[in-house]
Amino acid sequence: QVQLVESGGGVVQPGRSLRLSCAASGFTFSSYAMHWVRQAPGKGLEWVAVISYDGSDRYYADSVKGRFTISRDNSKNTLYLQMHSLRAEDTAVYYCARSPRHIIITLGGAIVPPNFDYWGLGTLVTVSS
Amino acid sequence: QSALTQPASVSGSPGQSITISCTGTSSDLGTYNYVSWYQQHPGKAPKLMIYDVSNRPSGVSNRFSGSKSGNTASLTISGLQAEDEADYYCTSYTSISTLVVFGGGTKLTVL
Repeated sequence: QVQLVESGGGVVQPGRSLRLSCAASGFTFSSYAMHWVRQAPGKGLEWVAVISYDGSDRYYADSVKGRFTISRDNSKNTLYLQMHSLRAEDTAVYYCARSPRHIIITLGGAIVPPNFDYWGLGTLVTVSS
Repeated sequence: QSALTQPASVSGSPGQSITISCTGTSSDLGTYNYVSWYQQHPGKAPKLMIYDVSNRPSGVSNRFSGSKSGNTASLTISGLQAEDEADYYCTSYTSISTLVVFGGGTKLTVL
């Protein structure tokens, strides 16, 4: 069965860095686009980033652009989120999610269908001094 | 403030039908059919209920249906059951730089 298991969360001071991992199993990881979605405590969902099945395309929410980097290692069936210059507003549960839809590249830019059919249980990141 | 607007709460009695609205703009669901709906129970990960406006993933009850008219998408749940009580989020592709936007979520209470 499909499993996504996030790890790497914890308490970190503002301005510091943290790397999250998401271990995938039960499906052909290298065939799927993967996303990170976060949820601040008591708040709604916020999309963070997407990476194409082969890692060649990556896109970010405006709120994390330039600070976060999404990557993947298809040989290890693992997705990553490297987070730098962390802020208090980055405090959230971070979920990795699988998408059965590829990123659509058009002349006008990328289209990212928000179909997330499997989610992990999430890992909590707390940014606090 | 979320990019998509949902009511904060809706309620209904068992057996009834309810509809949750999700209002966007011409930059997102008003133009594109990349609209999905997620159900989230407390302390759990979200679950995909509807994708591409009106399609149900395998395993999702046919009591859940989606539609869209103009800049507003809707999720309808018929034959309400106690286990439907949860938070529901809409989401859409947006042509504005951030690419994916969520609604603020709607808490469904089954009376």
